[in-house]
Order: sequence, then C-alpha cells, then structure tokens
Amino acid sequence: ETGVTQTPRHLVMGMTNKKSLKCEQHLGHNAMYWYKQSAKKPLELMFVYSLEERVENNSVPSRFSPECPNSSHLFLHLHTLQPEDSALYLCASSQASDSRTTEAFFGQGTRLTVV
Amino acid sequence: GQNIDQPTEMTATEGAIVQINCTYQTSGFNGLFWYQQHAGEAPTFLSYNVLDGLEEKGRFSSFLSRSKGYSYLLLKELQMKDSASYLCAVLDSNYQLIWGAGTKLIIKP
Repeated sequence: ETGVTQTPRHLVMGMTNKKSLKCEQHLGHNAMYWYKQSAKKPLELMFVYSLEERVENNSVPSRFSPECPNSSHLFLHLHTLQPEDSALYLCASSQASDSRTTEAFFGQGTRLTVV
Repeated sequence: GQNIDQPTEMTATEGAIVQINCTYQTSGFNGLFWYQQHAGEAPTFLSYNVLDGLEEKGRFSSFLSRSKGYSYLLLKELQMKDSASYLCAVLDSNYQLIWGAGTKLIIKP
C-alpha cells in the first residue's frame, strides 16, 4: 500500500461539471498539500492544510475548493473549470512543525482534462 | 521574487556521469531537496541538503553551496531507468517549498 493515494488517476470533465479529487495518506503526517503541475512549469502550491487547518491559499480561483475533514484525508472540489485548468494535480503530505518539515511524500496524481 | 533555475533538458549516455545544476534566489533558506519524477508518476524524494558540502547516497550525490545559492545532483553509472525529470526545491524562511520547473534527463544507450 502506497503512503499517499489519490483517486481518480484520470478525469475528463466538461466546463459545467462538478467533480471531486480525493487524497488519503497513511503516514501519520500532520500536513497535506494540493499542487498543480503543468507541462514545463514549476509545481504550483495551491493549498496547505496543517493539523486540518488551511494555512495557505495562494490566490487560487474559487472554482477550486479544498476540504480536509481529518488529518488523513484531503479533497479538492472542482466546478465550472476552464480548459487551462487541465493539468496533473498532485497531493502530498509531510510532518511539519514551526521549526522544520520533513520531505514531502506525493501521490501519483490525477490527470485532469477539461473539455 | 523567489526563483529556482535548472536546465530544461539534458542528454547523457548509459554508464556515464551527469551533473544537474540548480541555482536559487529565495527569501531565506531552510534546506534544498532533490526529487525524481518518472513520466506519469509521483515525485519521489532523493536527497536533502541544509549544510554546505556533498552528500553521497549510492550512485547519487547532491552538493550545496549556500553562499553561491547553488546545488547540483550528480548521477554516476547511469542506467536507462534514470531517465526521468529531476526537480530541485528550496525550503524558504516560511518553511514553504519553492520548486524549479524540473530537468528532463534522457539516457541514451
């Protein structure tokens, strides 16, 4: 069983659809992250949850809505997306404190295509 | 602003040695990570440097110079399975990871 699991692996959705991405971590970490990865661009941090509290928003459009019901689960709710939102969406977790953080462990990502 | 620079693509021959460079300008520094990402897969952790010098781990080594804002990842005895993207990331003063765009490494027989 991998440490960080994402579902679905692939998703095609229309611009009027509503869908959700799911992430689950089995590592006992206290921080979880959503990243967007577009071709030939740096990973873009979208949201950070530490101890189930959102600590970073990074000016992400409101059509992306995160939810963290507990320290092991993270969701990204999607609605009225645009074609430019097509990308690989990666979930990660780490053990973070005020003074340091461990390396991030990533899920395999959801390849999202908006048509 | 914060910036991480690394070459977009590199090509090397199986059995050879390759060095992937990373330069950074960030607000503070709390360590530098290297990750490997095969196509369609998750990034996986390779190394972490927070002090100057060389860290060796098998065929892979990572070097850091904080005064120069510079790191490199050295891969020895290259194998075909080393074909992947290599991501450099710096932990800034807020303990947030700042990522480079990655270097795609192509290994030829």
